[in-house]
Amino acid sequence: KQEVTQIPAALSVPEGENLVLNCSFTDSAIYNLQWFRQDPGKGLTSLLLIQSSQREQTSGRLNASLDKSSGRSTLYIAASQPGDSATYLCAVRPHSGNTPLVFGKGTRLSVIA
Amino acid sequence: EAQVTQNPRYLITVTGKKLTVTCSQNMNHEYMSWYRQDPGLGLRQIYYSMNVEVTDKGDVPEGYKVSRKEKRNFPLILESPSPNQTSLYFCASTRGENTEAFFGQGTRLTVV
Repeated sequence: KQEVTQIPAALSVPEGENLVLNCSFTDSAIYNLQWFRQDPGKGLTSLLLIQSSQREQTSGRLNASLDKSSGRSTLYIAASQPGDSATYLCAVRPHSGNTPLVFGKGTRLSVIA
Repeated sequence: EAQVTQNPRYLITVTGKKLTVTCSQNMNHEYMSWYRQDPGLGLRQIYYSMNVEVTDKGDVPEGYKVSRKEKRNFPLILESPSPNQTSLYFCASTRGENTEAFFGQGTRLTVV
């Protein structure tokens, strides 16, 4: 059964720092991997989608990489801002079964002004 | 605007009183699903639908029902809610297996 792990569970950084969030998954048979942002008590906002055949995707200050063979993805945030404070969730879509997305438990990011 | 809409956003109810949480998407997506999110447990899938009249159980289906009579709607039904169903619920949709997932804003349900 696919499992997704995110490390660290929480991270606090000063404004302006570049940072990396990590995501690992146990089964490399995936269609894609998606990074989401969730503000407290709110819905999930899709940040980046990486197909299994891709190595990375970029959107503004965000860059996500995927190493499917090793079961790892990273989300790089450049020049962090207080508005980036949120929980970041990683999810994979497995090839097998009917489970559309398997989520990690997230990394709670605080960017201090 | 492409979106997934859930209603209500907040609901407090009593044990045993049937309720329905509605979910609608305007993107003509084939796939829809329901998740619940609990502290320390993350997001867990409740039910899943690949198309009209096709539904499958997810990881935590006990105590829930769904229906998919139209492509755009996927309501979640709690026939006899219990306090352990107090949670934050999300509906999601995708066009296909290999495409981006879109989520609703969530429904915070409290069962007393």
